[in-house]
Amino acid sequence: AQRVTQPEKLLSVFKGAPVELKCNYSYSGSPELFWYVQYSRQRLQLLLRHISRESIKGFTADLNKGETSFHLKKPFAQEEDSAMYYCALSGHGNKLVFGAGTILRVKS
Amino acid sequence: ETGVTQSPTHLIKTRGQQVTLRCSSQSGHNTVSWYQQALGQGPQFIFQYYREEENGRGNFPPRFSGLQFPNYSSELNVNALELDDSALYLCASSLLAGDTDTQYFGPGTRLTVL
Repeated sequence: AQRVTQPEKLLSVFKGAPVELKCNYSYSGSPELFWYVQYSRQRLQLLLRHISRESIKGFTADLNKGETSFHLKKPFAQEEDSAMYYCALSGHGNKLVFGAGTILRVKS
Repeated sequence: ETGVTQSPTHLIKTRGQQVTLRCSSQSGHNTVSWYQQALGQGPQFIFQYYREEENGRGNFPPRFSGLQFPNYSSELNVNALELDDSALYLCASSLLAGDTDTQYFGPGTRLTVL
């Protein structure tokens, strides 16, 4: 079965502190992993995907197949990073399976 | 380039009624996927349409049906509405029905079933 688990509903950090949003997945093959972000009053948008190995807005995520994890990290949080973050996987046919999401609050 | 649009923004229906939600895909995209997002949960895949044919379906009953038109816009129809159908319905478009294509989401339609 395909499943994405985001164990934290809410993560609250101070500005300038490191951020790590956790994501674990369950999938029998080799999935494509994504992080989507939803800022206040905006639509869901792609933040990054593991296949592109990009760093977007200072965020990075490494796929760890041994631990079946795809944690999202940023060394120094900014207030504008406050948003809802969803981890998702795509198996066959480009159908996304989402986690429940983690709210990131960056306090000044 | 026009992004994904959805209509209506909000909708209130009563149990047992039928509803149609609409989605215009991003310019140049030929695939539309629909998702249901219940309160406090992540989006859940309903089905996908590629070049007017259904191309995969999630764990939703047959009363959830869809269409894709030659211009690649799409409709989601839900018959015999139930209270649990209250949710945000998202559509997403992509260029190809491949395994790694980026999906671009619309703003969603908020459906409330009373």
